[in-house]
Amino acid sequence: GAVVSQHPSWVICKSGTSVKIECRSLDFQATTMFWYRQFPKQSLMLMATSNEGSKATYEQGVEKDKFLINHASLTLSTLTVTSAHPEDSSFYICSARDLGIADTQYFGPGTRLTVL
Amino acid sequence: RKEVEQDPGPFNVPEGATVAFNCTYSNSASQSFFWYRQDCRKEPKLLMSVYSSGNEDGRFTAQLNRASQYISLLIRDSKLSDSATYLCVVNTGRRALTFGSGTRLQVQP
Repeated sequence: GAVVSQHPSWVICKSGTSVKIECRSLDFQATTMFWYRQFPKQSLMLMATSNEGSKATYEQGVEKDKFLINHASLTLSTLTVTSAHPEDSSFYICSARDLGIADTQYFGPGTRLTVL
Repeated sequence: RKEVEQDPGPFNVPEGATVAFNCTYSNSASQSFFWYRQDCRKEPKLLMSVYSSGNEDGRFTAQLNRASQYISLLIRDSKLSDSATYLCVVNTGRRALTFGSGTRLQVQP
């Protein structure tokens, strides 16, 4: 099946720093990628939809200036958590939609962010 | 009301048991339906799509009732390796998936 990678798999940072997370589709092109966040014992919550070549679409309550998304190519989307705070500590997961299979989304392995 | 609601769980069952999970969704325009499995601290992985006619994959059977906006997953002959959180997932046409909160299954020896 299609593979989506994320980097890094985990990161620990100090409060106030910025963290960049990469999401790559390895064997297919994805014009659309999605960024989710999952807090402990909760479900995945969609943060934003990343569109190649255009601005991301953010869900209600997600600050676009805090969570910067760039989708510069058909295989790469990045999420930058700016000025991270402890409450941003979470499991961030991206998914990519395979153009060849309309309703199939493949998830990356996730990035566990801990902000001290 | 949540867009996708699931049994709260957890379900603790012995090996070999049959267990059923239920899910309801609120958006009648929802177009496609899935069950995902998520292991602890891992990403969700597609278990199976759910079709109106019902579908089976080995020990797993999924059912969809569009009139009642209800989805189910039946697991027969539970294995220890089935222990995980099962997520009911709906595509409402926005292209992003909407996840239920998940039902945790623990299969015991």
